[in-house]
Amino acid sequence: DSGVTQTPKHLITATGQRVTLRCSPRSGDLSVYWYQQSLDQGLQFLIQYYNGEERAKGNILERFSAQQFPDLHSELNLSSLELGDSALYFCASSPGDGDTQYFGPGTRLTVL
Amino acid sequence: GEDVEQSLFLSVREGDSSVINCTYTDSSSTYLYWYKQEPGAGLQLLTYIFSNMDMKQDQRLTVLLNKKDKHLSLRIADTQTGDSAIYFCAERMNYGGSQGNLIFGKGTKLSVKP
Repeated sequence: DSGVTQTPKHLITATGQRVTLRCSPRSGDLSVYWYQQSLDQGLQFLIQYYNGEERAKGNILERFSAQQFPDLHSELNLSSLELGDSALYFCASSPGDGDTQYFGPGTRLTVL
Repeated sequence: GEDVEQSLFLSVREGDSSVINCTYTDSSSTYLYWYKQEPGAGLQLLTYIFSNMDMKQDQRLTVLLNKKDKHLSLRIADTQTGDSAIYFCAERMNYGGSQGNLIFGKGTKLSVKP
């Protein structure tokens, strides 16, 4: 157990819908990272927050957004969902910016 | 651009050593990581190596780094059936102002036969 929690574990929804994925980092960690794992693209970095501020953006679609709250938990919002958004979404946390990342168990999103 | 390459499959017999290889492209990478993913589970950090090191040993795991060839390997001694999983190599990049985003390889699926 890495200490990073993610909810929900599974999510099934329809095309066009909007979902919110939640991540709680390890106690004391200030950075949260979001990654998408799909069969064709592998593991891809989406976005990083550090102490409430956006720190870096990767291959994140405009339909996706994230935020980090004052208690340091983070949410990833996915809207206008398409079939191709079906994937495992991982959250990771690290103590600072650029430290070793510890991953949560992931949220499996299925878009029907 | 940034790219991390791994072979996709490796099959070994229980008790043998496994060697998983990885090549990376960014010579400025500071840390290189190995993560393990079991079926239906998240990514478990196995070990990492700082770019100024050549080797790191941690119990049954040995990481070798050849900076000249940008080649990283993970050796698992006395491989057990419980080691069957997908192993990801990742390099830490300085990216868009951040100090620590990870670029992952596609993963090597290790199958251990009894």
